[in-house]
Amino acid sequence: RKEVEQDPGPFNVPEGATVAFNCTYSNSASQSFFWYRQDCRKEPKLLMSVYSSGNEDGRFTAQLNRASQYISLLIRDSKLSDSATYLCVVNIYQAGTALIFGKGTTLSVSS
Amino acid sequence: DAGVIQSPRHEVTEMGQEVTLRCKPISGHDYLFWYRQTMMRGLELLIYFNNNVPIDDSGMPEDRFSAKMPNASFSTLKIQPSEPRDSAVYFCASSFSLRRPTEAFFGQGTRLTVV
Repeated sequence: RKEVEQDPGPFNVPEGATVAFNCTYSNSASQSFFWYRQDCRKEPKLLMSVYSSGNEDGRFTAQLNRASQYISLLIRDSKLSDSATYLCVVNIYQAGTALIFGKGTTLSVSS
Repeated sequence: DAGVIQSPRHEVTEMGQEVTLRCKPISGHDYLFWYRQTMMRGLELLIYFNNNVPIDDSGMPEDRFSAKMPNASFSTLKIQPSEPRDSAVYFCASSFSLRRPTEAFFGQGTRLTVV
Protein backbone atom coordinates (compact mmCIF):
# COMPACT_ATOMS: atom_id res chain seq x y z
CA ARG A 1 0.00 0.00 0.00
CA LYS A 2 1.39 3.40 -0.96
CA GLU A 3 2.00 5.85 1.86
CA VAL A 4 -0.12 8.61 0.33
CA GLU A 5 -2.95 7.80 -2.05
CA GLN A 6 -4.98 10.14 -4.20
CA ASP A 7 -7.53 9.75 -6.95
CA PRO A 8 -5.51 10.72 -10.05
CA GLY A 9 -8.52 12.16 -11.87
CA PRO A 10 -8.65 14.02 -14.13
CA PHE A 11 -11.40 16.17 -12.72
CA ASN A 12 -12.94 18.21 -15.51
CA VAL A 13 -15.18 20.99 -14.21
CA PRO A 14 -16.66 24.22 -15.57
CA GLU A 15 -15.68 27.62 -14.25
CA GLY A 16 -17.48 28.43 -11.03
CA ALA A 17 -17.85 24.82 -9.94
CA THR A 18 -16.92 23.48 -6.54
CA VAL A 19 -14.57 20.53 -6.55
CA ALA A 20 -13.18 18.35 -3.78
CA PHE A 21 -10.06 16.21 -3.68
CA ASN A 22 -9.40 13.47 -1.19
CA CYS A 23 -6.25 11.86 0.07
CA THR A 24 -5.49 9.04 2.50
CA TYR A 25 -2.23 8.30 4.24
CA SER A 26 -1.07 5.04 5.74
CA ASN A 27 1.33 6.06 8.51
CA SER A 28 -0.51 7.03 11.66
CA ALA A 29 2.67 8.77 12.89
CA SER A 30 2.28 11.41 10.20
CA GLN A 31 2.29 14.80 11.87
CA SER A 32 2.27 17.50 9.20
CA PHE A 33 0.11 17.74 6.14
CA PHE A 34 0.14 19.92 3.07
CA TRP A 35 -1.33 20.48 -0.33
CA TYR A 36 1.09 21.39 -3.08
CA ARG A 37 0.18 22.57 -6.55
CA GLN A 38 2.10 21.65 -9.68
CA ASP A 39 1.51 23.32 -13.03
CA CYS A 40 2.34 21.46 -16.22
CA ARG A 41 6.11 21.08 -16.64
CA LYS A 42 6.79 23.19 -13.55
CA GLU A 43 7.99 22.49 -10.03
CA PRO A 44 5.61 21.79 -7.13
CA LYS A 45 4.77 24.77 -4.93
CA LEU A 46 3.12 24.90 -1.54
CA LEU A 47 -0.57 25.71 -1.77
CA MET A 48 -1.44 25.44 1.90
CA SER A 49 -0.69 23.59 5.10
CA VAL A 50 -3.47 21.49 6.61
CA TYR A 51 -4.29 21.88 10.29
CA SER A 52 -6.31 19.60 12.54
CA SER A 53 -9.00 22.22 13.01
CA GLY A 54 -9.31 22.73 9.28
CA ASN A 55 -8.25 25.91 7.56
CA GLU A 56 -9.32 28.17 4.77
CA ASP A 57 -7.41 30.37 2.35
CA GLY A 58 -9.74 32.31 0.11
CA ARG A 59 -11.54 29.84 -2.13
CA PHE A 60 -9.53 26.90 -0.76
CA THR A 61 -10.48 24.88 2.31
CA ALA A 62 -8.42 22.03 3.72
CA GLN A 63 -9.60 19.47 6.24
CA LEU A 64 -7.81 16.77 8.21
CA ASN A 65 -9.33 13.72 9.86
CA ARG A 66 -6.61 12.00 11.88
CA ALA A 67 -8.85 9.14 13.00
CA SER A 68 -9.58 8.18 9.39
CA GLN A 69 -6.14 9.29 8.13
CA TYR A 70 -7.85 11.38 5.53
CA ILE A 71 -7.13 14.82 4.08
CA SER A 72 -9.31 16.87 1.78
CA LEU A 73 -9.08 20.00 -0.33
CA LEU A 74 -12.16 21.93 -1.43
CA ILE A 75 -11.97 24.54 -4.17
CA ARG A 76 -14.95 26.86 -4.52
CA ASP A 77 -15.80 29.02 -7.53
CA SER A 78 -13.19 27.32 -9.72
CA LYS A 79 -11.14 29.53 -12.04
CA LEU A 80 -9.39 28.61 -15.27
CA SER A 81 -6.13 29.35 -13.46
CA ASP A 82 -6.87 26.58 -10.95
CA SER A 83 -6.10 23.99 -13.64
CA ALA A 84 -3.12 22.07 -12.30
CA THR A 85 -2.15 18.92 -10.44
CA TYR A 86 -2.75 18.97 -6.69
CA LEU A 87 -0.36 16.92 -4.59
CA CYS A 88 -1.20 15.66 -1.12
CA VAL A 89 1.88 15.65 1.12
CA VAL A 90 2.61 14.25 4.58
CA ASN A 91 5.59 14.53 6.87
CA ILE A 92 6.51 12.16 9.68
CA TYR A 93 8.57 13.60 12.51
CA GLN A 94 10.91 10.66 12.85
CA ALA A 95 14.52 10.20 11.95
CA GLY A 96 14.98 9.23 8.35
CA THR A 97 11.79 10.70 6.91
CA ALA A 98 10.90 13.66 4.79
CA LEU A 99 7.98 15.01 2.79
CA ILE A 100 6.13 12.14 1.15
CA PHE A 101 4.05 13.05 -1.89
CA GLY A 102 0.96 11.48 -3.36
CA LYS A 103 0.90 11.06 -7.14
CA GLY A 104 -1.45 13.99 -7.50
CA THR A 105 -4.94 14.76 -8.72
CA THR A 106 -5.28 16.59 -12.00
CA LEU A 107 -7.85 19.36 -12.28
CA SER A 108 -8.95 20.90 -15.55
CA VAL A 109 -11.27 23.92 -15.37
CA SER A 110 -12.95 24.91 -18.62
CA SER A 111 -14.90 27.98 -19.68
CA ASP B 1 17.14 35.05 -2.97
CA ALA B 2 17.13 33.33 -6.36
CA GLY B 3 15.51 30.20 -4.99
CA VAL B 4 16.75 26.66 -5.51
CA ILE B 5 18.89 26.52 -8.61
CA GLN B 6 19.33 23.34 -10.61
CA SER B 7 21.48 22.64 -13.62
CA PRO B 8 21.25 21.64 -16.32
CA ARG B 9 17.57 22.22 -17.08
CA HIS B 10 17.60 19.58 -19.78
CA GLU B 11 19.99 16.71 -20.36
CA VAL B 12 19.96 14.19 -23.18
CA THR B 13 22.52 11.46 -22.94
CA GLU B 14 23.24 8.04 -24.32
CA MET B 15 22.79 4.88 -22.34
CA GLY B 16 25.93 4.03 -20.40
CA GLN B 17 27.10 7.60 -19.99
CA GLU B 18 27.63 9.30 -16.66
CA VAL B 19 25.16 12.03 -15.76
CA THR B 20 25.68 14.65 -13.05
CA LEU B 21 22.85 16.85 -11.85
CA ARG B 22 23.59 19.90 -9.74
CA CYS B 23 21.70 21.82 -7.10
CA LYS B 24 22.23 25.01 -5.14
CA PRO B 25 19.79 25.23 -2.22
CA ILE B 26 18.41 28.41 -0.74
CA SER B 27 20.96 30.03 1.53
CA GLY B 28 20.34 29.18 5.18
CA HIS B 29 18.26 26.11 4.51
CA ASP B 30 19.48 23.07 6.42
CA TYR B 31 17.61 20.33 4.53
CA LEU B 32 18.15 19.33 0.93
CA PHE B 33 16.11 16.74 -0.92
CA TRP B 34 16.44 14.98 -4.25
CA TYR B 35 13.20 13.77 -5.84
CA ARG B 36 12.47 12.01 -9.13
CA GLN B 37 9.17 12.40 -10.96
CA THR B 38 7.70 10.12 -13.60
CA MET B 39 4.17 9.68 -14.87
CA MET B 40 4.03 6.13 -13.56
CA ARG B 41 5.47 6.62 -10.09
CA GLY B 42 4.83 10.27 -9.33
CA LEU B 43 7.25 12.20 -7.13
CA GLU B 44 9.63 9.85 -5.33
CA LEU B 45 12.09 10.86 -2.64
CA LEU B 46 15.56 9.60 -3.52
CA ILE B 47 17.73 10.97 -0.72
CA TYR B 48 17.87 13.85 1.69
CA PHE B 49 20.54 15.68 3.65
CA ASN B 50 20.49 17.59 6.90
CA ASN B 51 23.39 19.99 7.45
CA ASN B 52 25.22 18.33 4.54
CA VAL B 53 24.92 14.84 6.05
CA PRO B 54 22.89 12.18 4.20
CA ILE B 55 20.01 11.15 6.44
CA ASP B 56 18.04 8.68 4.36
CA ASP B 57 19.08 7.26 1.00
CA SER B 58 16.63 4.36 0.99
CA GLY B 59 14.90 5.83 -2.03
CA MET B 60 17.98 5.64 -4.23
CA PRO B 61 16.99 3.00 -6.78
CA GLU B 62 20.33 1.22 -7.06
CA ASP B 63 24.06 1.58 -6.79
CA ARG B 64 24.24 3.43 -10.07
CA PHE B 65 22.87 6.45 -8.21
CA SER B 66 24.96 8.46 -5.80
CA ALA B 67 24.55 11.87 -4.18
CA LYS B 68 26.91 14.19 -2.38
CA MET B 69 26.68 17.45 -0.53
CA PRO B 70 30.23 18.73 -0.02
CA ASN B 71 29.04 22.01 1.51
CA ALA B 72 25.90 23.87 2.47
CA SER B 73 25.50 25.50 -0.93
CA PHE B 74 25.98 22.63 -3.35
CA SER B 75 24.80 19.10 -4.00
CA THR B 76 25.15 16.65 -6.85
CA LEU B 77 23.22 13.60 -7.97
CA LYS B 78 25.19 11.28 -10.20
CA ILE B 79 24.01 8.37 -12.32
CA GLN B 80 26.68 6.07 -13.63
CA PRO B 81 26.03 4.31 -15.93
CA SER B 82 22.74 5.81 -17.06
CA GLU B 83 19.92 3.69 -18.48
CA PRO B 84 16.80 4.61 -20.47
CA ARG B 85 14.59 3.86 -17.44
CA ASP B 86 16.33 6.68 -15.59
CA SER B 87 14.57 9.16 -17.86
CA ALA B 88 12.54 11.44 -15.60
CA VAL B 89 12.43 14.92 -14.13
CA TYR B 90 14.78 15.23 -11.17
CA PHE B 91 13.92 17.89 -8.61
CA CYS B 92 16.04 19.29 -5.86
CA ALA B 93 14.30 20.99 -2.93
CA SER B 94 15.44 22.69 0.24
CA SER B 95 13.80 23.68 3.49
CA PHE B 96 14.59 25.02 6.92
CA SER B 97 13.98 22.45 9.61
CA LEU B 98 11.35 19.80 9.24
CA ARG B 99 10.40 19.73 12.90
CA ARG B 100 7.50 22.10 12.43
CA PRO B 101 5.16 22.64 9.51
CA THR B 102 7.38 24.32 6.97
CA GLU B 103 7.67 24.69 3.25
CA ALA B 104 9.98 22.82 0.90
CA PHE B 105 11.08 24.99 -2.02
CA PHE B 106 11.72 23.20 -5.27
CA GLY B 107 14.08 23.99 -8.09
CA GLN B 108 12.79 24.01 -11.64
CA GLY B 109 14.02 20.47 -12.19
CA THR B 110 16.32 18.73 -14.62
CA ARG B 111 14.55 16.86 -17.40
CA LEU B 112 16.75 13.85 -18.13
CA THR B 113 16.37 11.76 -21.26
CA VAL B 114 18.54 8.69 -21.67
CA VAL B 115 18.48 7.25 -25.18
